[in-house]
Amino acid sequence: GDSVTQMEGPVTLSEEAFLTINCTYTATGYPSLFWYVQYPGEGLQLLLKATKADDKGSNKGFEATYRKETTSFHLEKGSVQVSDSAVYFCALRRDTENDMRFGAGTRLTVKP
Amino acid sequence: NAGVTQTPKFRILKIGQSMTLQCAQDMNHNYMYWYRQDPGMGLKLIYYSVGAGITDKGEVPNGYNVSRSTTEDFPLRLELAAPSQTSVYFCASSYSASPLHFGDGTRLSIL
Repeated sequence: GDSVTQMEGPVTLSEEAFLTINCTYTATGYPSLFWYVQYPGEGLQLLLKATKADDKGSNKGFEATYRKETTSFHLEKGSVQVSDSAVYFCALRRDTENDMRFGAGTRLTVKP
Repeated sequence: NAGVTQTPKFRILKIGQSMTLQCAQDMNHNYMYWYRQDPGMGLKLIYYSVGAGITDKGEVPNGYNVSRSTTEDFPLRLELAAPSQTSVYFCASSYSASPLHFGDGTRLSIL
């Protein structure tokens, strides 16, 4: 079945460092791909998405490119801030499926 | 904008007790979902609904029941609480295959 694999955390970075969180997927066909962010004590919020190969999703300085050849959707940010500390989830969804599959989540801590 | 509202936010139950987790959305979404989040395990789908009167099992439905009598509400029922059901529960909604909108979660402990 469909699945999402994320790099294990936790990830600890200094402010203004470059961030990469790896995400790979296994799915039939052409799923849409998503990154969600979960701040402490809150639910998941959509961060960005991409719906077809080579699409780049971006939001709040974060970017991820849908790479079908490597079945990947890595999350990147050029300069992280303390306020980016959260848990990040990669997810996929096929139009023919009624649910979304999530990775295990990666906890990011940014230190001043 | 209320979005997806879950109640209660926290609850402690004794083994064998029952309770209902409430979820309501005001976005007129047709799809609604219940997930549980265990530490380091990501989110697992418990039940989902594609419209009023229609519900289906997800990946981990055992020990839970749901109903969907209206578009807005999607309560999750635990009949005989067990320690394995200690988790954080998230309700979500979407318009068909669009991205999910999540509530803030219910943290449930069963002792």
